[in-house]
Amino acid sequence: AQSVTQLDSQVPVFEEAPVELRCNYSSSVSVYLFWYVQYPNQGLQLLLKYLSGSTLVKGINGFEAEFNKSQTSFHLRKPSVHISDTAEYFCAVSETRIAGKSTFGDGTTLTVKP
Amino acid sequence: DTGVSQNPRHKITKRGQNVTFRCDPISEHNRLYWYRQTLGQGPEFLTYFQNEAQLEKSRLLSDRFSAERPKGSFSTLEIQRTEQGDSAMYLCASSLGQGNDKNIQYFGAGTRLSVL
Repeated sequence: AQSVTQLDSQVPVFEEAPVELRCNYSSSVSVYLFWYVQYPNQGLQLLLKYLSGSTLVKGINGFEAEFNKSQTSFHLRKPSVHISDTAEYFCAVSETRIAGKSTFGDGTTLTVKP
Repeated sequence: DTGVSQNPRHKITKRGQNVTFRCDPISEHNRLYWYRQTLGQGPEFLTYFQNEAQLEKSRLLSDRFSAERPKGSFSTLEIQRTEQGDSAMYLCASSLGQGNDKNIQYFGAGTRLSVL
């Protein structure tokens, strides 16, 4: 079984400032890792994924994340945020062997202030 | 490629009534997943299909819940004798299958259920 902990439930930040959203996971097997963004009353949109290879992955909208196996973390970063980045962000894992369901964290609300 | 489509977008029902939601996955996607999301939480896995076969069901899926994917294309999720605790967003996702990029799940916009 896997679990995901998003360490910050809310992150307020000013426009053009850098941001980091933290995600730790627990699993006894190897996993794929994902970050999704959700805008109000909408479904989840994939931001980026770690499947294999380079531990630094780049996604859409200028986001990137680094997979740290020793610390079982997958933190999301953006060097300069925009008002339009205000949304809910979810970290998720799924087992590589079965590759079925995903387990999600409880989300981090990013609020970008002008 | 029109994405994952879910209908209806919103459903309001009275306690005790039955409701059914539909999900149309991305064409050629073999896997289809159902999740439930309550306010302030991340999506919780309910069940998933590989073509028409239901491969896994969560303990969250009580006897009042049933999901089908009869021809391996669209899927339905039915909730019988709804309770107020069933109020949530029901999300559907699809993927090509197993193995690296094939495992990426694409989500629909969800069906928001309100049980009065």
